[in-house]
Amino acid sequence: GDSVTQTEGPVTVSESESLIINCTYSATSIAYPNLFWYVRYPGEGLQLLLKVITAGQKGSSRGFEATYNKETTSFHLQKASVQESDSAVYYCALGSNYQLIWGSGTKLIIKP
Amino acid sequence: GGIITQTPKFLIGQEGQKLTLKCQQNFNHDTMYWYRQDSGKGLRLIYYSITENDLQKGDLSEGYDASREKKSSFSLTVTSAQKNEMAVFLCASSTDRGYSGNTLYFGEGSRLIVV
Repeated sequence: GDSVTQTEGPVTVSESESLIINCTYSATSIAYPNLFWYVRYPGEGLQLLLKVITAGQKGSSRGFEATYNKETTSFHLQKASVQESDSAVYYCALGSNYQLIWGSGTKLIIKP
Repeated sequence: GGIITQTPKFLIGQEGQKLTLKCQQNFNHDTMYWYRQDSGKGLRLIYYSITENDLQKGDLSEGYDASREKKSSFSLTVTSAQKNEMAVFLCASSTDRGYSGNTLYFGEGSRLIVV
């Protein structure tokens, strides 16, 4: 079946350092799945960070970027310089034939 | 903007008890979802509904019932609570099926505690 694997957390990064959270997927039910990053900030509900629905395209939001790489089946989340406010849990997800398939989440801790 | 409200925030019940979670949305979205999240794991779909009175089973529907009597509300019933299903239950809504690219909007979650 379809699946998503992402970096196991927690991931600790110092403020102003760069970040990458890996996400790879396996899509057997659909050739070109839609790909998403959702985020849950402390005390808030899960919310969409960015999405890409076309292979080869890049999505960006709040300084984060992710590129849909069909060849490597990856959708890694990157940020050049993290801030304390980026502390959250990040989820990679894949849109299959009838539902979203979710990764297990990566908790990001930012050291001041 | 809109909001999704889940009640209660904590649901405590005894093993074998029938327990119900409620979800309200004021986005006027057609599709609503119930997900279960176990500690350290991804979300798993229990039920979803594409319109009032519609119900579609997800991969985890066994042991649960759902009801969509109004467009704005979607309830989930745990038919016989078990200690191994203590988890956080998340309600979400979207304009259309989320897998097709539409954004899902989530509530803050309801934690089920079985004693």
